[in-house]
Amino acid sequence: EDKVVQSPLSLVVHEGDTVTLNCSYEVTNFRSLLWYKQEKKAPTFLFMLTSSGIEKKSGRLSSILDKKELFSILNITATQTGDSAIYLCAVGRDGTASKLTFGTGTRLQVTL
Amino acid sequence: DVKVTQSSRYLVKRTGEKVFLECVQDMDHENMFWYRQDPGLGLRLIYFSYDVKMKEKGDIPEGYSVSREKKERFSLILESASTNQTSMYLCASSLLGRIITDTQYFGPGTRLTVL
Repeated sequence: EDKVVQSPLSLVVHEGDTVTLNCSYEVTNFRSLLWYKQEKKAPTFLFMLTSSGIEKKSGRLSSILDKKELFSILNITATQTGDSAIYLCAVGRDGTASKLTFGTGTRLQVTL
Repeated sequence: DVKVTQSSRYLVKRTGEKVFLECVQDMDHENMFWYRQDPGLGLRLIYFSYDVKMKEKGDIPEGYSVSREKKERFSLILESASTNQTSMYLCASSLLGRIITDTQYFGPGTRLTVL
């Protein structure tokens, strides 16, 4: 059975801090790993990673995948209160019509 | 810009009622998905569809059915709602293509309460 585990479950940081969110997975025929941000409603897409060692970056957010060790990290530098959200990690497998298996998420709260 | 819309943001129903949740996407995506999201359990796949009139069970299909009569529309049906189906329901869509197109685009969700 596919498994995606995120840690920590939740954390509280001060504005300006740097945070690292973790996602480990056990999936046969791995194809992709995706990060989403969920505020009050729909998860919004952040990154998709398919190759090891390549960093994807968007502003203060970046992510990297390690296919050998089966994990990914999402880094947020200089956090702002608008970064407060649940961050979801999901993994896609080959041959499954783009089905994704989601982790339970990390709830990040950024305080002033 | 991908747009996925869901028919209701909030819904309150009584035990035993038949409930329809509608999802519409405007990006000509082949794949559509229904999830439920519960605290501590994350997103769990109920059903998905990769073509009109095609459907496949996800991880938790019991108590649900789906309908996809048109490419842009995917309906989730609760035949006889029960209190344990109180949840946030999220619809998503994605493209089917030769390159990796796993990115799913989500609707705003429907918070269903069954009394």
